[in-house]
Amino acid sequence: KAGVTQTPRYLIKTRGQQVTLSCSPISGHRSVSWYQQTPGQGLQFLFEYFSETQRNKGNFPGRFSGRQFSNSRSEMNVSTLELGDSALYLCASSLAPGDYTEAFFGQGTRLTVV
Amino acid sequence: AQRVTQPEKLLSVFKGAPVELKCNYSYSGSPELFWYVQYSRQRLQLLLRHISRESIKGFTADLNKGETSFHLKKPFAQEEDSAMYYCALSGFLSQGGSEKLVFGKGTKLTVNP
Repeated sequence: KAGVTQTPRYLIKTRGQQVTLSCSPISGHRSVSWYQQTPGQGLQFLFEYFSETQRNKGNFPGRFSGRQFSNSRSEMNVSTLELGDSALYLCASSLAPGDYTEAFFGQGTRLTVV
Repeated sequence: AQRVTQPEKLLSVFKGAPVELKCNYSYSGSPELFWYVQYSRQRLQLLLRHISRESIKGFTADLNKGETSFHLKKPFAQEEDSAMYYCALSGFLSQGGSEKLVFGKGTKLTVNP
């Protein structure tokens, strides 16, 4: 079956702009989690969605938001981009929330803010 | 609060040597520990979890609740083991379900020929 798909793979944005990233989970998976990966901080949890509801949220400013659709696809949005938002954004899908033993990661979206 | 510490950012060993990647955690509840691996240009993937007590690709990890550690070990490192390794922690909530997955900052393992 197809893996977790993230689009776009690469993005370049300027400071102050906003960006939307997309994540299509594995078919049948209803839980999607988002992470920010940077060389200095490693992987940091952003949020988790299940059945269109945000179930958990990490310690990120309100500029970071997300949503999940009825087909389990998820989007995350970052408004008023800052240079420090440059990172690899990963999403992971699983059958159920907290089911990390069966969580599969996408290849990520590389965001560069200039 | 959940916290995972991987004290070594970089670890370099020679092929055939034993390797140990350290992981310490902080969590007041019942933890669930994982090791994830990310090979060059590949996706992050689960290597092993403490519950299953399995050995994957020759790697093992034992949860030591007294020392709050979950070190990853392999007796004889191979060049193909070179990758980024992340220790991660979740937790079981008393009311059911799991906490979010929290990662350490990772250790880059290089196995030299």
